Amino acid sequence: SQQGEEDPQALSIQEGENATMNCSYKTSINNLQWYRQNSGRGLVHLILIRSNEREKHSGRLRVTLDTSKKSSSLLITASRAADTASYFCATSFSGTSYGKLTFGQGTILTVHP
Amino acid sequence: NAGVTQTPKFQVLKTGQSMTLQCAQDMNHNSMYWYRQDPGMGLRLIYYSASEGTTDKGEVPNGYNVSRLNKREFSLRLESAAPSQTSVYFCASTGQSTNTEAFFGQGTRLTVV
Repeated sequence: SQQGEEDPQALSIQEGENATMNCSYKTSINNLQWYRQNSGRGLVHLILIRSNEREKHSGRLRVTLDTSKKSSSLLITASRAADTASYFCATSFSGTSYGKLTFGQGTILTVHP
Repeated sequence: NAGVTQTPKFQVLKTGQSMTLQCAQDMNHNSMYWYRQDPGMGLRLIYYSASEGTTDKGEVPNGYNVSRLNKREFSLRLESAAPSQTSVYFCASTGQSTNTEAFFGQGTRLTVV
């Protein structure tokens, strides 16, 4: 079974609003990553947060990690129509010595102009 | 810099036919992966190669074989295609570290009729 569970499955907002997506996982991790996928394209890495970190920022992205609850959230502030895409969380299991990842089912984000 | 290159981009097969999906990376990465993506299922790991000369099964390996031809190339073979293998296939690579991002190819959309 997949490691990550994401919610909501779909999110529809207006341009300028903030978008929050959540991810839960089941076992201990080395890190948690967020990826973006535009329709019909490959995945692009957004941000990586290590298991000993609680919050990380990159531009309009803010990621939090709560290892006690085994959950993470991705916040996109001041969203734009160009942010419309699918967003996936991916986890690297503890004890893995390379970059093997397990993905959640993803959140489809639609930002209306 | 090409990154991860997959061929072909599209393929239609008849049930029982065989084919090989090719993947090459030019980032000198040690680890390479094959995932499949189905609607609502996120990405599931088929096979991976932690380093040149090694391959291991992922979550959904049945019906597939792989070859790590050299450090750059990692191919996925369907010996006898089935309609259940209709999917989008992604190749990815990572460097030699636990806390490393994955780089993805653009995907191969495979339909088995």
